[in-house]
This record gives sequence, C-alpha cells and structure tokens, in this order.
Amino acid sequence: AQSVAQPEDQVNVAEGNPLTVKCTYSVSGNPYLFWYVQYPNRGLQFLLKYITGDNLVKGSYGFEAEFNKSQTSFHLKKPSALVSDSALYFCAVRDPTSGNTPLVFGKGTRLSVIA
Amino acid sequence: EADIYQTPRYLVIGTGKKITLECSQTMGHDKMYWYQQDPGMELHLIHYSYGVNSTEKGDLSSESTVSRIRTEHFPLTLESARPSHTSQYLCASSESGGQGLHEQYFGPGTRLTVT
Repeated sequence: AQSVAQPEDQVNVAEGNPLTVKCTYSVSGNPYLFWYVQYPNRGLQFLLKYITGDNLVKGSYGFEAEFNKSQTSFHLKKPSALVSDSALYFCAVRDPTSGNTPLVFGKGTRLSVIA
Repeated sequence: EADIYQTPRYLVIGTGKKITLECSQTMGHDKMYWYQQDPGMELHLIHYSYGVNSTEKGDLSSESTVSRIRTEHFPLTLESARPSHTSQYLCASSESGGQGLHEQYFGPGTRLTVT
C-alpha cells in the first residue's frame, strides 16, 4: 500500500524568510514523489518530482525538494518566500511496483506568506 | 498549444437535473482522471481511465458516471444532481508508461452548485 502525509494543515512564514512544507510517505519500494501547488479557484499546477538520482530536486518558481529515504520524507523548500507563494500545496506519491494505480495525494498544506 | 480544458467553469443548477461536465485534453494522453474537491480541501479521486473504453472507479464513492469514447475526451455525468454534489470537480491527464513516473496535468476545474 502507498500513502502520503502532510503533517501541517497550515504554515505561516514572513516574506523573505525560508519556507518548508513537510511531506512524508510510505511505500514498499522506491517511490515516485511529486509536489503540486493550487492557487484559489484554479486547478493544480505541477512543481517538481523525484524519480531517481540526485536527492535535491529543483522545480518551478524557485522551489526545491529534498528526498530523504531514511526519513521517508520529501519536504518542499524555498530560500526566500514571496507573498505570491501563498497557496495550497499538495504532495503526492506513487509506488512504481504497485501496478497501474493513480497518484496518491496528501491532504494539502496551506501556506500563508505574510508581508 | 497543448492543454487540458474543462467546461463549464461555473454551474448553478437545480436539484434533480442531469448534468455533464466536459473535459478535453490536446496532449494525446492515455490516462485521464476526475477528482472532487471541496474548496481548499483534499482531493478525492472519483473516476479514472487508462485509455479508450477503459474506466475505473476511484477511492470516493460517487453517483456520477464517466465515458471514454475518444482519447481526448472524458466527460463526467450526474444523472440527478443533489445539493450534496456541490463541490469543485477537477479533471487531469498524464502520459502512460514509465511505471507511472509522469506527472498529471490538471484542468482549471468546474465549480458546481446544486440548489
């Protein structure tokens, strides 16, 4: 079985400060991991993914995420937050050995960047 | 330009009416998905398809039905709308193959209100 958890419903950060949105996963093998962002009244936009290779993945809008196998985590990070980063963020996982199953999404974390 | 489209964007309809939410993609993707999402909340997978004439039910029990007669088109139908169907409906698509390493692309969503 595959699952993903986002332990924080809400993250608040001051503009210009670094931000972290947490994600942990559970799969039986090596995971495929994804981050998406959702702005109000919009669909989800893909930010980045980890498939294999370098544990640090760089994505859109200056975001990056670090895959940590020992901690089964894939936290999303940005060195300097912008007010425009305020949105809902979703982590997702797929176990490539699980057959043709769809992505499993976390419950989402709302990020508020305060000016 | 390759994209994924949903119509209508907003729909207000009375109880008991039959409605069809349209989703089309121009990327040639085999896999398509429907999610239900209350505003700012988690995603619930309600239907998915891995190709023409293939449909599967998702994790969330839904009174809706889907069809996949053409690769690019994946409409969702509610035979008799109820207030409990009030929600946002998101359509997504992705490439097949690669044991699921491909990200999903999301449409802008349809906000449905049943009065």
